[in-house]
Amino acid sequence: KAGVTQTPRYLIKTRGQQVTLSCSPISGHRSVSWYQQTPGQGLQFLFEYFSETQRNKGNFPGRFSGRQFSNSRSEMNVSTLELGDSALYLCASSRNSDSGNTIYFGEGSWLTVV
Amino acid sequence: AQSVTQPDIHITVSEGASLELRCNYSYGATPYLFWYVQSPGQGLQLLLKYFSGDTLVQGIKGFEAEFKRSQSSFNLRKPSVHWSDAAEYFCAAGGSYIPTFGRGTSLIVHP
Repeated sequence: KAGVTQTPRYLIKTRGQQVTLSCSPISGHRSVSWYQQTPGQGLQFLFEYFSETQRNKGNFPGRFSGRQFSNSRSEMNVSTLELGDSALYLCASSRNSDSGNTIYFGEGSWLTVV
Repeated sequence: AQSVTQPDIHITVSEGASLELRCNYSYGATPYLFWYVQSPGQGLQLLLKYFSGDTLVQGIKGFEAEFKRSQSSFNLRKPSVHWSDAAEYFCAAGGSYIPTFGRGTSLIVHP
């Protein structure tokens, strides 16, 4: 079955612009989480959605937001882009909300802010 | 606070040599434990996971990991490394909905 799909894979934006990234989870998975990965900071948790509700949130400014649709697909948005937002953004999905649930990652969206 | 430590930022091995990547966790109880691998420019792929039971876990690509409660460790091993194993390896621990990830260990394989 298809894995986690993220679009677009690569994009370049200018400072001050906004960007929307999309994630389609594995079929049957209801939890979607987002991570930012940079060489300096490693893998940082952004937020997690389950049944269209944001249930967990990492330590990121309000410029970073997300949502989840009824079909479990998710989008994340970054407004007023800064150079430091250049990163690989990873989406992950899991079947349900049980602790110990295994999360599966997509291939990521590479964002470059110039 | 929950934490996962991967003490080695880089590890260099020769092709055909054995490999051990270290992972230590700090948790209130025994967490669920995972190893992921990330090839350049790619997402993270699950190698193996430990939830309970046998403390030696077999994964994909010939990897295995051993859970040692007394040492709070979950080290990843492979008996013979292939050049294609060169990648970033992440250990993660979960006891709630969101796992905590280590900073990763970069594996370099020399021919």
